[in-house]
Amino acid sequence: AQKITQTQPGMFVQEKEAVTLDCTYDTSDPSYGLFWYKQPSSGEMIFLIYQGSYDQQNATEGRYSLNFQKARKSANLVISASQLGDSAMYFCAMSLWQGNNRLAFGKGNQVVVIP
Amino acid sequence: GAGVSQSPRYKVTKRGQDVALRCDPISGHVSLYWYRQALGQGPEFLTYFNYEAQQDKSGLPNDRFSAERPEGSISTLTIQRTEQRDSAMYRCASSSGGNTEAFFGQGTRLTVV
Repeated sequence: AQKITQTQPGMFVQEKEAVTLDCTYDTSDPSYGLFWYKQPSSGEMIFLIYQGSYDQQNATEGRYSLNFQKARKSANLVISASQLGDSAMYFCAMSLWQGNNRLAFGKGNQVVVIP
Repeated sequence: GAGVSQSPRYKVTKRGQDVALRCDPISGHVSLYWYRQALGQGPEFLTYFNYEAQQDKSGLPNDRFSAERPEGSISTLTIQRTEQRDSAMYRCASSSGGNTEAFFGQGTRLTVV
């Protein structure tokens, strides 16, 4: 079974600063994918970034990067140059390639960007 | 369509009534997932389809919950004899298959009174 852990309390971030959101996962399967989704107050779920377990380099998408440390089973999200619109709940998720690709989500990290 | 569409967006129903929640995935997407999200929590897997075949229903809480995708496109999640504990956001997602990202709909907020 997959397990995702996000334990940080709500975070306040100064606009234009970087923020790191912690995510650890637990699986014995060697083949998996890691995802981050953003959920603003409007409630939608927005895909941000993906990292495959065999990818050699950390994934990057614009201001988002994923700090993938496979041995430590961590997949932290880094948001650079925070903007007011980054205020949201952020969910880390994992899927197993050998399974049905269903996503197992963590409980989320709340981020509030202050001007 | 351009994105995953769910209807209705909001549903208030009386305890004991049946409800049907609809999901229209992105055109051509093979895989369709249903999740349930309680307030302050991450989405929780309910069931999954590849084309019209229900591949995994292990996340359905009990036999009051069922889902179908008869033509491999639109899916319906049905909850019979609703209970207050069924109140939640029900989310549908679709993907093109493989280990690719899933795109979520806006969800249906179900309230059982």
